[in-house]
Amino acid sequence: NAGVTQTPKFRILKIGQSMTLQCAQDMNHNYMYWYRQDPGMGLKLIYYSVGAGITDKGEVPNGYNVSRSTTEDFPLRLELAAPSQTSVYFCASSYSSGGELFFGEGSRLTVL
Amino acid sequence: RKEVEQDPGPFNVPEGATVAFNCTYSNSASQSFFWYRQDCRKEPKLLMSVYSSGNEDGRFTAQLNRASQYISLLIRDSKLSDSATYLCVVNNFNKFYFGSGTKLNVKP
Repeated sequence: NAGVTQTPKFRILKIGQSMTLQCAQDMNHNYMYWYRQDPGMGLKLIYYSVGAGITDKGEVPNGYNVSRSTTEDFPLRLELAAPSQTSVYFCASSYSSGGELFFGEGSRLTVL
Repeated sequence: RKEVEQDPGPFNVPEGATVAFNCTYSNSASQSFFWYRQDCRKEPKLLMSVYSSGNEDGRFTAQLNRASQYISLLIRDSKLSDSATYLCVVNNFNKFYFGSGTKLNVKP
């Protein structure tokens, strides 16, 4: 099992550009999450999903969109990138609500 | 008010020391509780779940006080390899909230 796979690992964007961070898991987990982590800070929840076709906002959803068309994939879309979106983005999945979170290795995004 | 608050540290301790981390959470309806470990520039990984009765895993002991909304982690006989950031995590209705982390440096 690959676990949770995120791509790309690194990306530099110009202000106003858009991009999609990909996340895939092969553990058949229903619950998936996107977090961002700024330097020296904890993780902030952007969006989450409790199953295919169901998504909901977390603590910091502005400037992002998600979709969950399959159990395996949970892409995060950044529209009109801004310097404030420079961060490390982590995707995670869980078998159950309140169960262990399994993280991808992270995607480091810089917006210049 | 933050969902989860932790002392950021850093805690600088010698090898063999005992060190304790604390965290508080704001939502009394929170359902499950965890400590995660994060190494520099890596993803967080589960260290242990935290139960009301308290639980132990080798040198690590976690405690939960629901009345005070307080979670603790005790590390005994610290090793150099314990140097990391320790994240307190609370689950509310499908959402996991993370504290900002407490940094531990174990020195030879």
